[in-house]
Amino acid sequence: NAGVTQTPKFQVLKTGQSMTLQCAQDMNHEYMSWYRQDPGMGLRLIHYSVGAGITDQGEVPNGYNVSRSTTEDFPLRLLSAAPSQTSVYFCASSPGLSYNEQFFGPGTRLTVL
Amino acid sequence: AQSVAQPEDQVNVAEGNPLTVKCTYSVSGNPYLFWYVQYPNRGLQFLLKYITGDNLVKGSYGFEAEFNKSQTSFHLKKPSALVSDSALYFCAHNRMDTGTASKLTFGTGTRLQVTL
Repeated sequence: NAGVTQTPKFQVLKTGQSMTLQCAQDMNHEYMSWYRQDPGMGLRLIHYSVGAGITDQGEVPNGYNVSRSTTEDFPLRLLSAAPSQTSVYFCASSPGLSYNEQFFGPGTRLTVL
Repeated sequence: AQSVAQPEDQVNVAEGNPLTVKCTYSVSGNPYLFWYVQYPNRGLQFLLKYITGDNLVKGSYGFEAEFNKSQTSFHLKKPSALVSDSALYFCAHNRMDTGTASKLTFGTGTRLQVTL
């Protein structure tokens, strides 16, 4: 199993550009999440999904869109990039229920100029 | 608000000495508590979790954590630190009533530095 994979590893955008961060998992997990990691702030939940076709907002959803058309994939879209979105983005998946641990991808480091 | 706090930004310890990384929680009801570790330029890896039962939880790489309800703490410990334990450690919680694993709340992280 590859686990949770993310592409790209690094990305530089100009303000106003859009892009999609890809996330895929091959563990047949129902639950998938996107987090951003900023220095001194830990990880903050952006959006999450409890299954194909179902998504919901997390703590910091503004400026991001998600969709979940399949169990395996959970892409994160930046609609119009801003310097405040410079961060490291992690995708995670879990078999479900709140006592299960999450499995994290390797991350995407995004810089918005 | 439901939260976890990690009061130390950095912990320094000599190799071979015991280590403790602190975490306190503010969660109504019974929490599910987790520790994750992040090595440089890597994603987070699960170390251990407390769900219910024995207050001393054993996890990966020789780490353990003690759940203390009266002190609302879940400190991470290891009897003998290794240089390879140097990493960023995150405490996290999930509420029992959410029914979903997707709503983890993380602390701000503690950097552990183990020196020879």
